[in-house]
Amino acid sequence: QKEVEQNSGPLSVPEGAIASLNCTYSDRGSQSFFWYRQYSGKSPELIMSIYSNGDKEDGRFTAQLNKASQYVSLLIRDSQPSDSATYLCAATAVGYQKVTFGIGTKLQVIP
Amino acid sequence: KAGVTQTPRYLIKTRGQQVTLSCSPISGHRSVSWYQQTPGQGLQFLFEYFSETQRNKGNFPGRFSGRQFSNSRSEMNVSTLELGDSALYLCASSLGAMGNTGELFFGEGSRLTVL
Repeated sequence: QKEVEQNSGPLSVPEGAIASLNCTYSDRGSQSFFWYRQYSGKSPELIMSIYSNGDKEDGRFTAQLNKASQYVSLLIRDSQPSDSATYLCAATAVGYQKVTFGIGTKLQVIP
Repeated sequence: KAGVTQTPRYLIKTRGQQVTLSCSPISGHRSVSWYQQTPGQGLQFLFEYFSETQRNKGNFPGRFSGRQFSNSRSEMNVSTLELGDSALYLCASSLGAMGNTGELFFGEGSRLTVL
């Protein structure tokens, strides 16, 4: 069992809709969570980090964390074709210098 | 501010050969992590270095090794290459402090093809 699980997709949403990307993790010691975006042929870039239960909003992006359910999600409001990419969920535990990534969910925003 | 620089960008090797990849982190970043990315496995952690010390290592065979120099530049080496080593090798740098080990800045990667 992978430590960070994601559905590989593709997830297709129409332009302007809300895209919901989900991730679960198995290590209860995980305390920091991240969402990275990777465009085809490019390297991953950090778009959101979340450290405590609840929601964190940044522009059109909202990250949600529920440690009791070991669940992390990323909502993208008003999805644009430029949001089409693979979204990687990542987790790390304090004291561990290893960041564990999920396989990534491929998002396709249809114009 | 210059980003993370990886060299070479592309390389082709044959089975049994060895390869050395280089990574220069963002100025001021003292932590360098290496990842292997393949379509089927995603991003797999290789190792992480901070101040010339390996702090963590992933589940890869001993053919995969690395080091970090006093200027924070890092190299990774793969010996006795196998076909399955064909992948994109990504280097990521971070400040290295305990609180932000997950905030990684990636280089463009080195694409290795083993024939």
